[in-house]
Amino acid sequence: EPEVTQTPSHQVTQMGQEVILRCVPISNHLYFYWYRQILGQKVEFLVSFYNNEISEKSEIFDDQFSVERPDGSNFTLKIRSTKLEDSAMYFCASSRDPIKSPLHFGNGTRLTVT
Amino acid sequence: GNSVTQMEGPVTLSEEAFLTINCTYTATGYPSLFWYVQYPGEGLQLLLKATKADDKGSNKGFEATYRKETTSFHLEKGSVQVSDSAVYFCALSLTSGGSYIPTFGRGTSLIVHP
Repeated sequence: EPEVTQTPSHQVTQMGQEVILRCVPISNHLYFYWYRQILGQKVEFLVSFYNNEISEKSEIFDDQFSVERPDGSNFTLKIRSTKLEDSAMYFCASSRDPIKSPLHFGNGTRLTVT
Repeated sequence: GNSVTQMEGPVTLSEEAFLTINCTYTATGYPSLFWYVQYPGEGLQLLLKATKADDKGSNKGFEATYRKETTSFHLEKGSVQVSDSAVYFCALSLTSGGSYIPTFGRGTSLIVHP
């Protein structure tokens, strides 16, 4: 069964550095999402992406965050200047139809900001 | 806005006990409802879903019925196993002003002892 894959599985970075988290969604899916989860708690929506543009974003997704689909297969989340509070698990998800079909999640990237 | 409320965890049970995890929702419309499960170190994966009122979703012995009158989607299993230990997330999906933002509850941790 097709999977969403995320790399790296763990990223350690210093405060103020830029990080890029990478995702390869399932190939025939059209809707893409980033969520984050702090310390195994609530799954927080960051951003959704459809038709090569952001369709919705949360308050968390400020100017430090950006997303891109550079080549039709990868879907990236960039954090320009990381803060300690950005430490979390970041999950990419994709869906064929976000209303009736479920989200398919990757295994996540654990970001640690020191 | 749309929201999902789950019972606080952790829920601790002995093997073969009956499980109920409560979930209620608030939505401006008729959402699709989902239960996801997250095993340690992994991403979320779909457990079951229901897309309209009175539908019952079921998978791996788990069941949940979409109750529009009580805006609920409680998860049940008649006899839990140690391998069911995980975090369970209730979620809804509904179009909102042309965008699609699946919304998750806070998650309920289930611990099953032998």
